[in-house]
Amino acid sequence: AQSVTQLDSQVPVFEEAPVELRCNYSSSVSVYLFWYVQYPNQGLQLLLKYLSGSTLVKGINGFEAEFNKSQTSFHLRKPSVHISDTAEYFCAVSDEGQKLVFGQGTRLTINP
Amino acid sequence: GAVVSQHPSRVICKSGTSVKIECRSLDFQATTMFWYRQFPKQSLMLMATSNEGSKATYEQGVEKDKFLINHASLTLSTLTVTSAHPEDSSFYICSARVQSSYGYTFGSGTRLTVV
Repeated sequence: AQSVTQLDSQVPVFEEAPVELRCNYSSSVSVYLFWYVQYPNQGLQLLLKYLSGSTLVKGINGFEAEFNKSQTSFHLRKPSVHISDTAEYFCAVSDEGQKLVFGQGTRLTINP
Repeated sequence: GAVVSQHPSRVICKSGTSVKIECRSLDFQATTMFWYRQFPKQSLMLMATSNEGSKATYEQGVEKDKFLINHASLTLSTLTVTSAHPEDSSFYICSARVQSSYGYTFGSGTRLTVV
């Protein structure tokens, strides 16, 4: 069975500072990995995904993530955050296109 | 592309009544839809997986007689909360698997409040 652990429930950072949101997964098969963002009372928007190939994945809004198979991690990074990045971020894993399993979420708060 | 439209966005109903939530894929065929429930400040919990033309597969602990899922066409899946009670109040989100991109697209969610 797959599982996802987001290591930080809340991450406060100052505007224009870099940020890393951590995600570790466990799975016995090949996986697809995703990062989603959720704004209040809205659905989820895909930031980026890893299916195969290059381990550094670039997404929307300046986010990127690196797939590390040996450490079973898929951490999300942004070099300079904005107030508008304040949201809930979810890491998720699926086994070759089946159901998504989500982490607990990380609330990113950007302070001016 | 790959948009899922979910309605209603908010609904308030009286205890004991039923509520239907619809999810439509607008520009693709959704052979598989997923229904999630999200409590405040928590993650998404998968309730069930529905495949077009067949019975939904419910996750352990989800009452199939209470949460009726119908996926009668390739563009429409519905979740009906029957005999709703206050503890059913939650945020419900649907998602469809997008075959062409190995991704998933989500509806905008429905905030259900049972009074």
